Order: sequence, then C-alpha cells, then structure tokens
Amino acid sequence: AQSVTQLGSHVSVSEGALVLLRCNYSSSVPPYLFWYVQYPNQGLQLLLKYTSAATLVKGINGFEAEFKKSETSFHLTKPSAHMSDAAEYFCAVSEAGNNRLAFGKGNQVVVIP
Amino acid sequence: GAVVSQHPSWVICKSGTSVKIECRSLDFQATTMFWYRQFPKQSLMLMATSNEGSKATYEQGVEKDKFLINHASLTLSTLTVTSAHPEDSSFYICSAIRWDSSYEQYFGPGTRLTVT
Repeated sequence: AQSVTQLGSHVSVSEGALVLLRCNYSSSVPPYLFWYVQYPNQGLQLLLKYTSAATLVKGINGFEAEFKKSETSFHLTKPSAHMSDAAEYFCAVSEAGNNRLAFGKGNQVVVIP
Repeated sequence: GAVVSQHPSWVICKSGTSVKIECRSLDFQATTMFWYRQFPKQSLMLMATSNEGSKATYEQGVEKDKFLINHASLTLSTLTVTSAHPEDSSFYICSAIRWDSSYEQYFGPGTRLTVT
C-alpha cells in the first residue's frame, strides 16, 4: 500500500522567502503524485501532479515540484512566498492507473509579513 | 468548470439517527466518486470508491453497513451515516473524476457532521 510522509504540521515563512514543503512517499509500484491546497471553507484544489512524464512539474500560482525516484521524494517549492499562499497543503500518492489517493497529514503554511 | 458541491455543508444530528450527505458534480459527468473522512488536524482518509451503477468499494476497516453509499447517477453520489454515534462526528469530503479524465479528482467543499 502506498503512503505519504509530510513533516512539520506548521510551516512559517516570511513574505518573499522561499517556500519548501517536503513530501516523501512509499509505493510498491510507479506512483502518481499530487499536491493539493486547501483554503478555509473550500475544497481541495490541485496545485500540480506528476504522472510519469517530466520529473520537474510546474503548477499553478508559481509552485513547482520535482519527482526524485532515488529519494522517493516530491518536494513542493515556490521561490517567493505571497500572503495569499497561506493555506493548508497536502501531498498525495496513488498507484499509476489506480485512483485511490493516500494523503499526507498536511502542512499549514503561515506567511509572515 | 469541474465543480463539485456537497449538501449540506454542516449538519447536527442526534445519536442513533441517520443522516444523508449529497455529492454532486455540477458541470461534468463523473464515472467515479470518492468519499473521504477528515479528523481535526489530520489528513484525509479514503473511505470508499463509488462507481455509477455498481456497488461501492469500501476501504479496509470501513463499515459498509454503517456508511451506505449510493451512486445513483453520473452526477450524484450520496453517503448515509446510519445510526450515527458521536464518534462519527467528522468532516466528510467527496471527490469526483470526470468521465474524460483518468486520474484527476475534483473535490467538494466538505460536510461537517456533529453527532450529539
């Protein structure tokens, strides 16, 4: 069964600084990997996804993530944090061709002015 | 496009009663819908996969007789929590896959259930 590890439930970042959220996965078969963002009182929104194509994936709102098979990682980055980036971020994994998602515990991002 | 709604957004019910939660894909047909449960400060846990016209597939440890899922049409799936108890209080979230997509899930805003 697949699983995801996200460390650090709360992440504080200064406005304009780098945002880095770490995600490590476990999967016995080639994975599909996803990052979702959840704003208060809203549904999860897909930021970006890896589905076995390019290993560097660009998403919405300036975010990107790199799939590293050797490190079983899919870390999310954004060069410069904006106040609007304050939200909860979830990493998720599914087996290729199987849509059952396993989510990490999430990171609550706080942006400090 | 690709909007998923849930109704109600929050509900309070008494212990022992049943409550139904609806999940609708508003602008697309969904061949598959999923139901998740989210506890406070925790992640989403997949409860079941719902396919239109067939029985739902439940994850290990989820009581299928307690959490009844009906995928009546390509735009509607319902989750009924039967004989609810306080420990069923949680945030329930659905998602849907468009008929023309193989893997991208669109999520509803969730339903907060409180059992008193």
